[in-house]
Amino acid sequence: EVQLVESGGGLVKPGGSLRLSCTASGFSFTSYSINWVRQAPGKGLEWVSCISSSSSYISYAASVRGRFTVSRDNAKSSVFLQMNSLRGEDTAVYFCAREEGDPLPKTSYGMDLWGQGTTVTVS
Amino acid sequence: SYELTQAPSVLVSPGQTARINCSGDALPKQYAYWYQQKPGQAPLMLIFKDTERPPEIPERFSGSSSGTGATLTISGVQAEDEADYYCQSPDASNSYWVFGGGTRLTVL
Repeated sequence: EVQLVESGGGLVKPGGSLRLSCTASGFSFTSYSINWVRQAPGKGLEWVSCISSSSSYISYAASVRGRFTVSRDNAKSSVFLQMNSLRGEDTAVYFCAREEGDPLPKTSYGMDLWGQGTTVTVS
Repeated sequence: SYELTQAPSVLVSPGQTARINCSGDALPKQYAYWYQQKPGQAPLMLIFKDTERPPEIPERFSGSSSGTGATLTISGVQAEDEADYYCQSPDASNSYWVFGGGTRLTVL
């Protein structure tokens, strides 16, 4: 089955750390960039970060830059989001989503597959 | 920072046409993408590159773009189309993705 599965969410105190995982199956993982998108309770979608297939291109939203680090292990078909110095405003459901080819190209095919999300609560 | 603007809500009767708009200064140079999200579910991509539709998406969903605006049109709205809809586009320098604030479609 073609899918993305997030894990690693939980309850953490302000200032703490958490590492999220996104594991892919059923498709050629190295053909895709992976994005992280979050959604605070009752709020809209917010793009967080992206990483290209070879990890050569990485980008972060201003709200997390310097605190979050994205990485990937193609041998394990997984992407990781290391979240440090967590704040209350980081409380959200975190989704990973694939994007064919390089991230943020001029002619992206969009985020065509999403995981079900993992919940992070900072309190 | 770059923003995409959407109306918070749209009301429509079953069988009618719903139009959901998105505005942003970079849209003349960047493609728009549209996602549907139902409660408790992950987003689903409806439209990519302004007008393209994935094969699994019903034909009643279509997209268009003109100037600083993009529009998602749902023809013959059905009760199952009640959901939140988000537009998405890169900033002008292609450095990061931005989502609009979302539009809640209510089917009366």
